[in-house]
Amino acid sequence: AQKVTQAQTEISVVEKEDVTLDCVYETRDTTYYLFWYKQPPSGELVFLIRRNSFDEQNEISGRYSWNFQKSTSSFNFTITASQVVDSAVYFCALRNSIQGAQKLVFGQGTRLTINP
Amino acid sequence: DAGVTQSPTHLIKTRGQQVTLRCSPKSGHDTVSWYQQALGQGPQFIFQYYEEEERQRGNFPDRFSGHQFPNYSSELNVNALLLGDSALYLCASSPPGTTSWDTGELFFGEGSRLTVL
Repeated sequence: AQKVTQAQTEISVVEKEDVTLDCVYETRDTTYYLFWYKQPPSGELVFLIRRNSFDEQNEISGRYSWNFQKSTSSFNFTITASQVVDSAVYFCALRNSIQGAQKLVFGQGTRLTINP
Repeated sequence: DAGVTQSPTHLIKTRGQQVTLRCSPKSGHDTVSWYQQALGQGPQFIFQYYEEEERQRGNFPDRFSGHQFPNYSSELNVNALLLGDSALYLCASSPPGTTSWDTGELFFGEGSRLTVL
């Protein structure tokens, strides 16, 4: 069975601080995909990043960076110099390798609040 | 270019009633999936439609059914509503061919918030 755990339910920081959101996953598949989505108050899930199980290269995109470690089954997300607009609920998700499959297994989410 | 649109945005029903939620995928997309998101939880996969057929289903009872039309739009029907069906229902779409497999990116709508009293 597949499972995603986001142990941090809520995080609150002051603007310009760095913040890391943790994600731990479980799967028996050897090929899988990991995602991060952002959900602002409007409700729409906004795609942030996808990472394949065979690509452990970490990635930086502007103020966002991701650390994928297969050895610990973790896919953590860091926001550098946080801004108030980063406030949202962030979800980590897992998908298997079946072509065309749209079943994502989501974690419970981390509510991030950036205070001015 | 309109994204994924869902209707209605909010609705209130009573236990035992039936509800239909609607979704129009992003232009050019042919695959639609539905997710249920209870308050404070992550979304849970209900089912996926492609070529007007249900292709994959999550762990939801038969009270949850769907349909996809020739124009790729979709409906989610829930019968015999329970209090526990209160949630945000999200629709997601993806483009045809291998693109969705390559990118894995689903485009989500803003959801329909259902309250069952």
